Amino acid sequence: AQKITQTQPGMFVQEKEAVTLDCTYDTSDPSYGLFWYKQPSSGEMIFLIYQGSYDQQNATEGRYSLNFQKARKSANLVISASQLGDSAMYFCAMREMNTNAGKSTFGDGTTLTVKP
Amino acid sequence: SQTIHQWPATLVQPVGSPLSLECTVEGTSNPNLYWYRQAAGRGLQLLFYSVGIGQISSEVPQNLSASRPQDRQFILSSKKLLLSDSGFYLCAWRAGGSTLETRQNTIYFGEGSWLTVV
Repeated sequence: AQKITQTQPGMFVQEKEAVTLDCTYDTSDPSYGLFWYKQPSSGEMIFLIYQGSYDQQNATEGRYSLNFQKARKSANLVISASQLGDSAMYFCAMREMNTNAGKSTFGDGTTLTVKP
Repeated sequence: SQTIHQWPATLVQPVGSPLSLECTVEGTSNPNLYWYRQAAGRGLQLLFYSVGIGQISSEVPQNLSASRPQDRQFILSSKKLLLSDSGFYLCAWRAGGSTLETRQNTIYFGEGSWLTVV
């Protein structure tokens, strides 16, 4: 079964608007971490934000916030005030602490295009 | 601060030729090390991971191999490349251990190596 599902292959957003990138996950491990990475056309993978399964509050990092809904097993990334430089591929990932040897699993990614 | 560097950045190799991609991490000790492959426009596929010197786990059957001769060095190799080996290869590291603390769980990636097998 797919552990990380990103249902939006591509998304468009107008500059300065907010956008939500969807991510759902599947695990029976009570301890896990969720990550979002940004991959611009240059190929580098840039860490954006992290949420632990026991965190009570949604993680925020500048314009990035993670909408963590544990019961629904979703960890959507919200980018506020989009900028042209946000155009990139975005990956959701999960690390299970007690199963799967603690390895990280990545989704297939969402390509975000910010329009001027 | 920790840094990760992999090379070469781009490589064009004929079918049947050998491959060696190198990755080094600085500023940390006993990291977990990973090799991922990414096909064009797709997600990341974990190829190998290592929790210590000489300890390599393979995720998928393939004609690639990995070695960790030193604590902070991770090498991806092949004796004979196939066309299907073309892709973008990413080396990554994470601090060892199993906690939910952010810093210890985040995977940090190298710059990537574009491999084209012709």
